[in-house]
Amino acid sequence: AQKVTQAQTEISVVEKEDVTLDCVYETRDTTYYLFWYKQPPSGELVFLIRRNSFDEQNEISGRYSWNFQKSTSSFNFTITASQVVDSAVYFCALSEANDYKLSFGAGTTVTVRA
Amino acid sequence: DAGVTQSPTHLIKTRGQQVTLRCSPKSGHDTVSWYQQALGQGPQFIFQYYEEEERQRGNFPDRFSGHQFPNYSSELNVNALLLGDSALYLCASSLRHNEQFFGPGTRLTVL
Repeated sequence: AQKVTQAQTEISVVEKEDVTLDCVYETRDTTYYLFWYKQPPSGELVFLIRRNSFDEQNEISGRYSWNFQKSTSSFNFTITASQVVDSAVYFCALSEANDYKLSFGAGTTVTVRA
Repeated sequence: DAGVTQSPTHLIKTRGQQVTLRCSPKSGHDTVSWYQQALGQGPQFIFQYYEEEERQRGNFPDRFSGHQFPNYSSELNVNALLLGDSALYLCASSLRHNEQFFGPGTRLTVL
């Protein structure tokens, strides 16, 4: 069975600090997809990134970067120079190739203080 | 280009009642998935519809049922509501097995 663990429940930082969110996953499949979503107070889940299991290249998008390491089954997410607008709950999710559902972690609440 | 839309935004029901939630997918998407998100938890998969059929189902009782229409829109029905059904219900659309885009959700409160 697939499983996603986000060990950090809450993280609080001051604006301009960097913040890294941990995500560890479990799957028996060799082909799978990993996702990060942001959920601001409005409630809508906003898609941030999707990676497939064959692509371990790290990715950077503006102030966001992702570090995918199959050896440790981790897919960590870093926000550089955080801003107040980054305050939200962030979810890591996993989908296996022959499965259609997203399995989410419990989420990490990020609070960025001005 | 409209994203995923859901209605209603909020809903209050009493135990034992039935509820219907609606979802319109993002333009160009043919697959709709439903998730339940209890307070402080991650979303849990209810089921997914593709080509008007339920393609996959999560660990939810038969009280939860759905439908997909020819225009790809979808409904989620919950019968015999329980207090524990209070949650944010999220609809997500995708093009087959690609990334899922979520709507704003329907907040259901069961009293």
